[in-house]
Amino acid sequence: GENVEQHPSTLSVQEGDSAVIKCTYSDSASNYFPWYKQELGKRPQLIIDIRSNVGEKKDQRIAVTLNKTAKHFSLHITETQPEDSAVYFCAAVKSNYQLIWGAGTKLIIKP
Amino acid sequence: ETGVTQTPRHLVMGMTNKKSLKCEQHLGHNAMYWYKQSAKKPLELMFVYSLEERVENNSVPSRFSPECPNSSHLFLHLHTLQPEDSALYLCASSQDSWDRVSARGTDTQYFGPGTRLTVL
Repeated sequence: GENVEQHPSTLSVQEGDSAVIKCTYSDSASNYFPWYKQELGKRPQLIIDIRSNVGEKKDQRIAVTLNKTAKHFSLHITETQPEDSAVYFCAAVKSNYQLIWGAGTKLIIKP
Repeated sequence: ETGVTQTPRHLVMGMTNKKSLKCEQHLGHNAMYWYKQSAKKPLELMFVYSLEERVENNSVPSRFSPECPNSSHLFLHLHTLQPEDSALYLCASSQDSWDRVSARGTDTQYFGPGTRLTVL
């Protein structure tokens, strides 16, 4: 069935460095790809999303890229800060209108 | 942070108990969702309601019973649960949910804080 693979499961980067999280999806009809951030003990919150009619979207230190041909999309965080530490989830809309979620990436920012 | 609220925040129950989780959204959305979040697993969609009608039920055991009396409220009734049902249960809402013509539901989902459920 449709699924979303997310890598890595854990990512540790030095404060100030960049972090990249990658997701691949299987349903070529997917057209919406959100990224959620979940801090410890808190709810998931949308941080950025992209629709299939664009290849890249940027919001300050966060950017998302989409390669529809290869069916993968990535989250890029530049100049990482301690408050970026969290679990990040990617998702893709399923052909019958569900969001299919990745398993999450735990991002650790080392001081 | 108060757009979607959930009660209780923590719940401990025995396998023979009956309890209910409540979700309320104050965003004027027309779709609501129940998710189960277990450690090291993807978010599992359990139920979707659009305009108070259930549109999705992902093969969830019958010991979980949803109820959506109106577009602002969503309940999850629990009975005879198993220890493996212990998890964080998240409610979410969105606007312009499921477009039945295009079969697309692409809008942003806003989550509640969740109910941490422990089944003894």
